[in-house]
Amino acid sequence: GENVEQHPSTLSVQEGDSAVIKCTYSDSASNYFPWYKQELGKRPQLIIDIRSNVGEKKDQRIAVTLNKTAKHFSLHITETQPEDSAVYFCAPLRPGGYNKLIFGAGTRLAVHP
Amino acid sequence: GAVVSQHPSRVICKSGTSVKIECRSLDFQATTMFWYRQFPKKSLMLMATSNEGSKATYEQGVEKDKFLINHASLTLSTLTVTSAHPEDSSFYICSAQQGGMNTEAFFGQGTRLTVV
Repeated sequence: GENVEQHPSTLSVQEGDSAVIKCTYSDSASNYFPWYKQELGKRPQLIIDIRSNVGEKKDQRIAVTLNKTAKHFSLHITETQPEDSAVYFCAPLRPGGYNKLIFGAGTRLAVHP
Repeated sequence: GAVVSQHPSRVICKSGTSVKIECRSLDFQATTMFWYRQFPKKSLMLMATSNEGSKATYEQGVEKDKFLINHASLTLSTLTVTSAHPEDSSFYICSAQQGGMNTEAFFGQGTRLTVV
C-alpha cells in the first residue's frame, strides 16, 4: 500500500515569512497530488493540487512542486498570514479501481503576528 | 466547487445503541464516496470506500459489521456505527468524487460522535 510521510509535523513562522511542507510517498503510480487545509473542527479544504505531468503549480501565495523521480511533493506558502494557521495534509492519490486519497500525518502551521 | 453535506454534525448516543450518519452530494452524482475517521490532532484515516449499488470496500483493520455502509443512490451514502462503545467516539468525515478523470474530493462537514 501507499506510505505517505509528511514533514515537519509542526511549523512555527513569523507573519510574512515563507513556509514549506514536504510530502514523500511510496507508490510510483500515484498521479494526483493535492494539499488540504483543515481548521479545527472543520472539513478539509483543497488549497492546491498538481498532476503528474506538471512539475510546479502556483496560485497567488501558494505553490506546489512535484518531483516524481524522488517521489515527493512540497507545499510552499509565501508571505504567511495569521489566517494561514491550520493543519495541512498532503493526500497523494492511490491509483487503482477507486481514486483513494491517502492522507499524510499532517503539519500544524502556526503563523505568529 | 461541488457541495457535500453530512448529517448530523454532532451526535451523542448511549453505549450499545446504533447511530446513522448521512453523506449527500448536493449538486453532482457521486459513484464513489469515502468514509474517514479522525482522532483528535491526528490525520484522516480511510475506513472504507462506498460504491453505489454494490458492497463497500473496507480498509484493513476496519470491522465491516461494526461500521455498516450503504450507498443506495448516486447522491447518498450512509455510515451506521452499530452497538456503539465509547472507543467509537471520534470525528467521522465523508468525501465524494465526481469520478472518471475528476479526482478532486469534496468533503462533508464531519460528524462528531460521542458515545457515553
